[in-house]
Order: sequence, then C-alpha cells, then structure tokens
Amino acid sequence: EIVMTQSPATLSVSPGEGATLSCRASQSVGSKLAWYQQKPGQAPRLLIYGASTRATGIPARFSGSGSGTEFTLTISSLQSEDFAVYYCQQYKNWPITFGQGTRLEIK
Amino acid sequence: QVQLQESGPGLVKPSETLSLTCTVSGGSISSYYWSWIRQPPGKGLEWIGYINYSGSTNYNPSLKSRATISLDTSKNQFSLKLSSVTAADTAVYYCAGGYTTTVIDYWGQGTLVTVSS
Repeated sequence: EIVMTQSPATLSVSPGEGATLSCRASQSVGSKLAWYQQKPGQAPRLLIYGASTRATGIPARFSGSGSGTEFTLTISSLQSEDFAVYYCQQYKNWPITFGQGTRLEIK
Repeated sequence: QVQLQESGPGLVKPSETLSLTCTVSGGSISSYYWSWIRQPPGKGLEWIGYINYSGSTNYNPSLKSRATISLDTSKNQFSLKLSSVTAADTAVYYCAGGYTTTVIDYWGQGTLVTVSS
C-alpha cells in the first residue's frame, strides 16, 4: 500500500496571503495524484487531478504541481472560504489511499 | 448534475452487518463508477471499494473481505454491506461516483454509522 504523508498538519495563514501544502508518497505515483478540500460537516470536493489539472469550476488561485513522490498544492491570495482541510490522494495503485490531511486555518 | 443520497441505520451492534444504500439521481447509474468511502470521526479518508456499471468490484484489502458492494440498476441504487463490524468501523460513510475508478467527482452528504451495543 502506498502511504501518503502530508505536511504540515496545520497551517495558519492570514486571508489574502498564499499557502503551500505538501504531500509525499512512499513510492512513485507518477502524476496520479489528486487534491480534495473538505469543510466541516461536508463531503470532500475534488480540486486537482493528474497532479496539476484543476477540476471543473475550481478557481485559478488553486494550483497543483509535482510528480513522482513530491507534490504541492498552492493557494494564492486566500479567501475566507478556502480555510478547510485538504487531502491528497494517490490513484497509481490499489488500494487508493489518502494523506492524513492538512488543516488550513485563519491566522 | 448527479446527486447522491445515503440511507441506512445510524446504529449497528458489534458483530452484526452494516447495510447502506445510495440513491443516484440526475444521471444514469450505468454511466459512472460507484464507490464507498468512510471517515472515522476526526480522522482521514479510507476508500472501501468500488463497483462499475457491469457489476465488477474491487475492495480495500484492509477490510479483510468483509465488504460487499452491489448495484441495482432498476432502482438507480448501489449498496454497501460490511459484516462483523466493530467499534473501529464507526465512521461517516460516503457514497461517491466518478467517471473513472480513480478520483471522485460526486459525493453524497455522508451518513454517520455508530457501532455500539
């Protein structure tokens, strides 16, 4: 099973600033990496797939990069609605696995 | 727009079988791949398994063959059965769908299932 490790566990950022979230895979997943956003009491929402392709309707301030074992989700100019938990997910191998999440909180 | 709604008991006794159903609206159940994903309270996400439109399934080995996912195309529903449950199976269970087996495009709202006597 591929283990996904996200860092940091919690990130405190002021609105209007940018945020960088990291995800590391225990073995190469190529570009088979997705990012989801989850707000309290809600289901996750797909943000990024293929490591860097935004899902339908996702604002351009969200961008993904990386390949192999190291990935980054960058959110530029944070809006109030962006404060949430973010999960990375690999789909290179079954079982598909998620990271433990990064909580993005208001500073 | 595809919409998903989970239904089933919110409380299951230890050693019994958890049964949930997901009703799909706004799209044909034959056009997507359907999954169950769970999230223990305050924790991360675990993909339980998926089924495709022809009924082929794949399950997370961590569940040790306790999970069964089935499809009822006549009712536009798919279901999860998880046998021999323990407190560790307490979680919010999401039904989900996607154009492939790889990422989730559509999510249900989730339903909390508690395993307790």
